[in-house]
Amino acid sequence: DAMVIQNPRYQVTQFGKPVTLSCSQTLNHNVMYWYQQKSSQAPKLLFHYYDKDFNNEADTPDNFQSRRPNTSFCFLDIRSPGLGDAAMYLCATSRSLAGHNEQFFGPGTRLTVL
Amino acid sequence: QQQVKQSPQSLIVQKGGISIINCAYENTAFDYFPWYQQFPGKGPALLIAIRPDVSEKKEGRFTISFNKSAKQFSLHIMDSQPGDSATYFCAASKGTSYGKLTFGQGTILTVHP
Repeated sequence: DAMVIQNPRYQVTQFGKPVTLSCSQTLNHNVMYWYQQKSSQAPKLLFHYYDKDFNNEADTPDNFQSRRPNTSFCFLDIRSPGLGDAAMYLCATSRSLAGHNEQFFGPGTRLTVL
Repeated sequence: QQQVKQSPQSLIVQKGGISIINCAYENTAFDYFPWYQQFPGKGPALLIAIRPDVSEKKEGRFTISFNKSAKQFSLHIMDSQPGDSATYFCAASKGTSYGKLTFGQGTILTVHP
């Protein structure tokens, strides 16, 4: 089945220790998104890639970076995690940038910062 | 102006009852309104979506009602089942906005057997 896969499902890191979250997709979609979802809150878009073009949301902290080495994979790097970065991180894909295209979400990675 | 306000925060319904979740928006440039369903430990999944050129869309037990003049839309779940227990998010996007979804705050629905 075509899908969006996120690894690991659970990640524990220490305050200030860099961490990388992984997303892969078998849908061959052009667009990949990263969302942050804090407990009992709505998902909040951090950034997206259209092919290799990276687009950062204006309010995404510099602490968050992303890489997309190929169509299938996208990584979220948190350079110096703070306690406030503990959240579920959701990866999503979409066929194109048209606003009406369905976004397909992965199961998320729950990040704990000690 | 980018916000989507959702209510109620939580909802308890008996099996067979009707669940109603409401959302309101301010940005008239929004032109796509999806509802997402999220089970614990899973990512959101698209449930049903509507564009503002229609006032209602029905898919099985799920119906979206859309009121363009009031800038409101709602999700109705008929004959609610325990398996419908999940968090529901309304969202909105603009056709020109690279698919950016602005989500409501979410509603935790519990359907009692």
